[in-house]
Amino acid sequence: KQEVTQIPAALSVPEGENLVLNCSFTDSAIYNLQWFRQDPGKGLTSLLLIQSSQREQTSGRLNASLDKSSGRSTLYIAASQPGDSATYLCAVQDGNEKLTFGTGTRLTIIP
Amino acid sequence: DAGVIQSPRHEVTEMGQEVTLRCKPISGHNSLFWYRQTMMRGLELLIYFNNNVPIDDSGMPEDRFSAKMPNASFSTLKIQPSEPRDSAVYFCASSWTDSPLHFGNGTRLTVT
Repeated sequence: KQEVTQIPAALSVPEGENLVLNCSFTDSAIYNLQWFRQDPGKGLTSLLLIQSSQREQTSGRLNASLDKSSGRSTLYIAASQPGDSATYLCAVQDGNEKLTFGTGTRLTIIP
Repeated sequence: DAGVIQSPRHEVTEMGQEVTLRCKPISGHNSLFWYRQTMMRGLELLIYFNNNVPIDDSGMPEDRFSAKMPNASFSTLKIQPSEPRDSAVYFCASSWTDSPLHFGNGTRLTVT
């Protein structure tokens, strides 16, 4: 059974700093990996999707990497802003479209 | 595009009552997922459909839970009878093959 772990559970950093969020998974037979953000009281918003054959994806200040063999992914956020404060979740998808989510990292950017 | 639409946003009911949650996926998406989110267990997949057909319902907690997708633009998740431990936020999400998952804003269910 796939298990997805995100450490740390919470992170606070001053505005302007670069930061890295970590995600690890136990079964490397994945179809893709997705990063989401969730704001309080809201649904999840997709940030980046990395196919199993890819190593990284970039969108603006966000960069996600994937090392399938070691079961790890990172989400890099450059020049953090208060608006980046949210919970970030990673999820891995198997060949049957089933997504398994991590428990998330709650990020707070301090102005 | 209006996104994934869920109703109601909030539902408060008494133990033993029937609860029906509704979802309208994004037009053109061929997969639909029902998730439940709690502080203790995080996001759990309950069931998902592909082309309106249930593919995997192994996450449905017990027989009190049932889900239907009568057509490509509508799905329901029903709990009968409801129990306090069913209190959670229930999310519906949809996607097209190889595309990111799009979530609705969820239904917050409270069973007293």
